[in-house]
Amino acid sequence: KAGVTQTPRYLIKTRGQQVTLSCSPISGHRSVSWYQQTPGQGLQFLFEYFSETQRNKGNFPGRFSGRQFSNSRSEMNVSTLELGDSALYLCASSLRGSGGTDTQYFGPGTRLTVL
Amino acid sequence: DQQVKQNSPSLSVQEGRISILNCDYTNSMFDYFLWYKKYPAEGPTFLISISSIKDKNEDGRFTVFLNKSAKHLSLHIVPSQPGDSAVYFCAASEYFYGGSQGNLIFGKGTKLSVKP
Repeated sequence: KAGVTQTPRYLIKTRGQQVTLSCSPISGHRSVSWYQQTPGQGLQFLFEYFSETQRNKGNFPGRFSGRQFSNSRSEMNVSTLELGDSALYLCASSLRGSGGTDTQYFGPGTRLTVL
Repeated sequence: DQQVKQNSPSLSVQEGRISILNCDYTNSMFDYFLWYKKYPAEGPTFLISISSIKDKNEDGRFTVFLNKSAKHLSLHIVPSQPGDSAVYFCAASEYFYGGSQGNLIFGKGTKLSVKP
């Protein structure tokens, strides 16, 4: 079974621009969660989508948004990029979501650099 | 305020010896705990989990211990192998009344180096 895929793997943007990241979950998985990883903060939860609905949201500004399509693929958008948005963005999929009791499988991440 | 803390950013161990990675949490409502391992340029991979009704869970060389009164969990790797060198993340989630489970809260990770 193919794993979680994320595109692109690397991205360089400038301040003020916007960016869209894509995540394809494992086949059959309906929940997709997004995380931001930075050296100082570790992995921080952004949001979770299940059956095209945002089910859970972390403590990030409204510049960070996402959506999920009917085939469970998900996109994450960051508008008006700031230098501090430079990070590894990880996507994880699971069968049912609902947090920790359902094992999450992570993709390799998208490394975003904001100049 | 950090709810899940891994106070050791790094740990170095000799091959064949035991590696002990520690994690502390502050939220007494956390009831499910996991360890993930991450290699460079890869996403985290699930290693082992434990629910709050248990105090120990084993899977091969990996054992997780949970001390609820101390709000502390640890991951033991015995024997340690060079391939275990990676960053280890501890994570926790909270049970909500009504049957749902909260999102994962991760620690900042501990980089384990196992020397041959």
